[in-house]
Amino acid sequence: AQSVTQLGSHVSVSEGALVLLRCNYSSSVPPYLFWYVQYPNQGLQLLLKYTSAATLVKGINGFEAEFKKSETSFHLTKPSAHMSDAAEYFCAVSDPAGGSYIPTFGRGTSLIVHP
Amino acid sequence: GAGVSQSPSNKVTEKGKDVELRCDPISGHTALYWYRQSLGQGLEFLIYFQGNSAPDKSGLPSDRFSAERTGGSVSTLTIQRTQQEDSAVYLCASSFQGFETEAFFGQGTRLTVV
Repeated sequence: AQSVTQLGSHVSVSEGALVLLRCNYSSSVPPYLFWYVQYPNQGLQLLLKYTSAATLVKGINGFEAEFKKSETSFHLTKPSAHMSDAAEYFCAVSDPAGGSYIPTFGRGTSLIVHP
Repeated sequence: GAGVSQSPSNKVTEKGKDVELRCDPISGHTALYWYRQSLGQGLEFLIYFQGNSAPDKSGLPSDRFSAERTGGSVSTLTIQRTQQEDSAVYLCASSFQGFETEAFFGQGTRLTVV
């Protein structure tokens, strides 16, 4: 069975500082991995996805994530936070090779950006 | 429309009443998903459609919940005899095939049961 753990329900950074949002997964086979962002009162928007190609995935708005099989991690980073990055971020995993087409989402991490 | 459309955006209902939530996916998307998002919780999977078929209904929390999809397009999630614990944001998403292709989410329906 697949599962996702997002460490930290809230992460607070200063504007211009590094953003690091952690995601660890469990899956029996190499999975598909996703990061979604949800701005207040909006639906979820795909930031980036890993589907067994390059392990370093670049997404929108300057975000990127690295798939590390040995650590079963897919952490999201951005070198310099902007006020507009304040939102809820969700990591998700799906396991199509294992017959699970339905993504499992983490509980989400709220990113707070201080001026 | 250009994106996934959900209606109504907000719904307040009395305990015990039935409600219907509607999702209009992006045209041509064969896969459609319903999730529930409760305050402070992640996204809880409810049901998945491929075309008009629902190969996975495992997430429906009780037999008060049902969903259908017609014409490979519009989907309706019905909650019968609503309870206060049903209060949540119900999100719909669609994708071209499965989730390996980008899934697009609607803005959700906020359901409040009073």
